[in-house]
Amino acid sequence: AQSVTQLGSHVSVSEGALVLLRCNYSSSVPPYLFWYVQYPNQGLQLLLKYTSAATLVKGINGFEAEFKKSETSFHLTKPSAHMSDAAEYFCAVSGSGYSSASKIIFGSGTRLSIRP
Amino acid sequence: DAGVTQSPTHLIKTRGQQVTLRCSPKSGHDTVSWYQQALGQGPQFIFQYYEEEERQRGNFPDRFSGHQFPNYSSELNVNALLLGDSALYLCASSLAGMNTEAFFGQGTRLTVV
Repeated sequence: AQSVTQLGSHVSVSEGALVLLRCNYSSSVPPYLFWYVQYPNQGLQLLLKYTSAATLVKGINGFEAEFKKSETSFHLTKPSAHMSDAAEYFCAVSGSGYSSASKIIFGSGTRLSIRP
Repeated sequence: DAGVTQSPTHLIKTRGQQVTLRCSPKSGHDTVSWYQQALGQGPQFIFQYYEEEERQRGNFPDRFSGHQFPNYSSELNVNALLLGDSALYLCASSLAGMNTEAFFGQGTRLTVV
């Protein structure tokens, strides 16, 4: 079964610093990988999606992620953190091969804090 | 476009009771999925409805059931509520197909006392 593991339940960076949130997926190559963001008391918003078209995926709000098969990783980065980036971030994989929106399996989440 | 709307936003129930949560999908979407997000955890897939039928199901007991209506809206029903059912319940809608995006509602916060 597909699964993802997020390394670090809490990451704190200074405003303007690099953001790096780590995610590893299970060994079988997944059809779709995602990063979602969740602001307090809100639902989930898709940041970006990997669909095997390109290993470097650019998303919204300046985020990007690189798919590395050799490391089974899909880490999320942003060159310069902004206060508004403070939120919970989830790495996820589609557990069904027939649709990218089916049976999404989420990691346990990483809370990102931004220091002024 | 109102996006995915869920009702109610908050709900308090007593152990043993039954609850119904509602979801209206984003305009043009025909598939609805439900997720349970316990405090401090990632969402867990409950089930997905398409063409008014349950197409996929996660590891949830039969106390969790659902329905999809002809207008694609959906309900999640939970019977015999347990304290452990307290969670944020998220609805996601999508358009059937391979490379689509799931759009999430803001969720219903269920508290079982």
